[in-house]
Amino acid sequence: GAGVSQSPRYKVAKRGQDVALRCDPISGHVSLFWYQQALGQGPEFLTYFQNEAQLDKSGLPSDRFFAERPEGSVSTLKIQRTQQEDSAVYLCASSLESSGNTIYFGEGSWLTVV
Amino acid sequence: GESVGLHLPTLSVQEGDNSIINCAYSNSASDYFIWYKQESGKGPQFIIDIRSNMDKRQGQRVTVLLNKTVKHLSLQIAATQPGDSAVYFCAENKGGSYIPTFGRGTSLIVHP
Repeated sequence: GAGVSQSPRYKVAKRGQDVALRCDPISGHVSLFWYQQALGQGPEFLTYFQNEAQLDKSGLPSDRFFAERPEGSVSTLKIQRTQQEDSAVYLCASSLESSGNTIYFGEGSWLTVV
Repeated sequence: GESVGLHLPTLSVQEGDNSIINCAYSNSASDYFIWYKQESGKGPQFIIDIRSNMDKRQGQRVTVLLNKTVKHLSLQIAATQPGDSAVYFCAENKGGSYIPTFGRGTSLIVHP
């Protein structure tokens, strides 16, 4: 497809389990963003990549959160030892270049930690 | 801390009316602003953007107004339709940043 693709769309994890969320950005897009969106809230920034370089990870809430984009295309957000407060929608977005370009969001990965 | 915020959490309008969604921002260094629409169960969808060197920009049925003096942003939707029902977010890029910062959102409900 032409849009940002995320998988899985829905994930239920037991507390303490590790999860991996995948993002396929739009082909050729240089910039990739991860956001976390709690119910009824706006998206909160987690991390930003320009190609394979992680230029900003200031939004990652703890060292249990890790993101990578090894070949400058697909990205994975990993959450270790999940906690209930990690339950949220994780949104991936990409843009063609860096500042000032339209950012396209995926549908999100809905994570529920039980 | 500095943040983007919205005046009204919920806005109800009749089909065919014009809608105005407001947003206040407090960071005077912000130089790029975007409005997103998010329907239930979907990711945010770009609607329209505006740079700080402009005060108005028009799209199809939508207009964004920027008042830098009072740090206020608004989204006007003409002839609102039921399909416009969604949560609307304003977002800002702080000067030199690539990263949009989102506000809490306004829920727009359009009654047929």
